[in-house]
Amino acid sequence: EPEVTQTPSHQVTQMGQEVILRCVPISNHLYFYWYRQILGQKVEFLVSFYNNEISEKSEIFDDQFSVERPDGSNFTLKIRSTKLEDSAMYFCASSVSGFGAFFGQGTRLTVV
Amino acid sequence: DQQVKQNSPSLSVQEGRISILNCDYTNSMFDYFLWYKKYPAEGPTFLISISSIKDKNEDGRFTVFLNKSAKHLSLHIVPSQPGDSAVYFCAASYLSNTGNQFYFGTGTSLTVIP
Repeated sequence: EPEVTQTPSHQVTQMGQEVILRCVPISNHLYFYWYRQILGQKVEFLVSFYNNEISEKSEIFDDQFSVERPDGSNFTLKIRSTKLEDSAMYFCASSVSGFGAFFGQGTRLTVV
Repeated sequence: DQQVKQNSPSLSVQEGRISILNCDYTNSMFDYFLWYKKYPAEGPTFLISISSIKDKNEDGRFTVFLNKSAKHLSLHIVPSQPGDSAVYFCAASYLSNTGNQFYFGTGTSLTVIP
């Protein structure tokens, strides 16, 4: 069964460092998303991506964040200068139609 | 701004009985609703969805009911099984041709007691 895969499963980084979280969406999907969940809190929308550009982003997705689909299969989230409060589970999701989405297993980001 | 609310953080149900998980929303523009199930350290798994033109959608043991006038939806699991124990998130979105943003509730942790 097709699935969204995310790597790494756990990333530990020092505050101020750049991190890149990687995702391989399901191959025929057209809509891509990043969400995050801070421990004990709700799942929060970060950004959606369609037709090679950002279609929507939340107030969380500030200038420190960027997304890319560099080669038609990977979908990456970059955090330029990590802060302690960026520590969370980051989920990538993809959708064929924009309705409903399939989520990856998540990357646990720990900023120390 | 909590547009989707799940007011019960936890629910315990005996195996074989019905589990009812509730969700309320505030934005009348939402027209598509989903339920996700999540185990610890895993991503949300899609369970069932409903569009605003329907008031009920059924898939096996899972049924979602939508009451648009009350801005309320619920997920019924019948019969409940121990493997259903997980956190359940409802999510809502509205039609957009650039991909819908999903607004998630805070989740309800369901425990099915054998």
